[in-house]
Order: sequence, then structure tokens, then C-alpha cells
Amino acid sequence: QKEVEQDPGPLSVPEGAIVSLNCTYSNSAFQYFMWYRQYSRKGPELLMYTYSSGNKEDGRFTAQVDKSSKYISLFIRDSQPSDSATYLCAIWLSSGSARQLTFGSGTQLTVLP
Amino acid sequence: DAGVTQSPTHLIKTRGQQVTLRCSPKSGHDTVSWYQQALGQGPQFIFQYYEEEERQRGNFPDRFSGHQFPNYSSELNVNALLLGDSALYLCASSLGMGQGNQPQHFGDGTRLSIL
Repeated sequence: QKEVEQDPGPLSVPEGAIVSLNCTYSNSAFQYFMWYRQYSRKGPELLMYTYSSGNKEDGRFTAQVDKSSKYISLFIRDSQPSDSATYLCAIWLSSGSARQLTFGSGTQLTVLP
Repeated sequence: DAGVTQSPTHLIKTRGQQVTLRCSPKSGHDTVSWYQQALGQGPQFIFQYYEEEERQRGNFPDRFSGHQFPNYSSELNVNALLLGDSALYLCASSLGMGQGNQPQHFGDGTRLSIL
């Protein structure tokens, strides 16, 4: 079992739709939760970053963390064709001497005009 | 404000050869991490450098080694290349080693192809 599991997709939605992207994790030592967006032939770009359970909103993007269920989500409202990219969840582990960022496998999103 | 820069952007090598990839961190950052991203997968952590020393290492063989210079830039070296080493190699920089509350910023990577 991978430490971070992400819905694989691909996901295709019409412009204006609400998109839900999801990850689950297994290690309770995970502390910080991030979402990255990666366009083709580019590096990951940090979208959202949160520490606590609950919701964090930034424009059209909302990150949700449920530590009791070990479940994180990213919601995109009023999706645009420019949102078409691969979305990666990433979780920071700090346990004993181990400190590293662990990624999900990514969900490829296409927003159709 | 320059972000993370990596060179070269593309590289083609043959099995058994050695390769060196380079990274300059974002201005003000002192920690560099390296990742391997296979096609269709998320980045896998290779190692992290801080104060010119390897501080953390993922599950990668000793063929993968690195270096950090006094100006915080870094190199990733891979020896005895295998076909399975073909991937996008990403460099990420951050401030402060081992601080999860300092998010990592990524470069656009070096695409390495092994023939």
C-alpha cells in the first residue's frame, strides 16, 4: 500500500463545472498538506498549503483536510480550460529523523470549453 | 525574483554512462531537494541537501549522489545509468532544512532519456 493514494483519473469536465480531486494517506505522522499543479513539460507549482483539519480557500480553489479520516481534497469552482493540468497532492512527513515530502501519483484534469 | 533553475533541460545518455544535473535554488532559499518523476507518476524523493550535507535520503541506490555548494546550488550525479533511470528529474528549494511549514518550490526539471 502506498503512503499516499490519489484518484488516478483522468478527469474530463465541461467549463464552469466544480471539480473534486481526492487523496488518502496512511501515516498519522503526516503534518502538512499541499496541492501542486503541473502543466505539461513544466515543474509542479504550489497551489494550496494547509496544516490543520478543515477548509482553506484561495479564490476558486478550496483545500479540505480531514485528519480523522486521513483524507484530503481540492475543489475547483467555475473550472476554466486553463485549469487543465495534472494535480498532485503532497504531504510532509516528520517522524523521528525522517523528514520528506511524499506525493500522490497525480490526477490529470481536462476542462473542455 | 528568479525561481528555481535547472540545467540542462534535456539529456540523452546510453546505459552505463554517468550524468550530472544542476540546480540553482530560488533566491533566499538554502535547502535543495531532488526528485525523480517517471511518466504518469508523482515525484519520488531522492535526497535533500542543507549546509552542503545530505540530510535526508529516499529509497534510491548509491548510484545516485549529490553535492551542494556554498552558494546553495546543487548537483545530482547518477552513475552506471540504467534504462529505468529515464525520467524527469526535479529540483526543489525551500528555506530551512526539515521544516514542513516552508513549502518547496520546483524547477521545470531535466528530462533524462537513456538509450
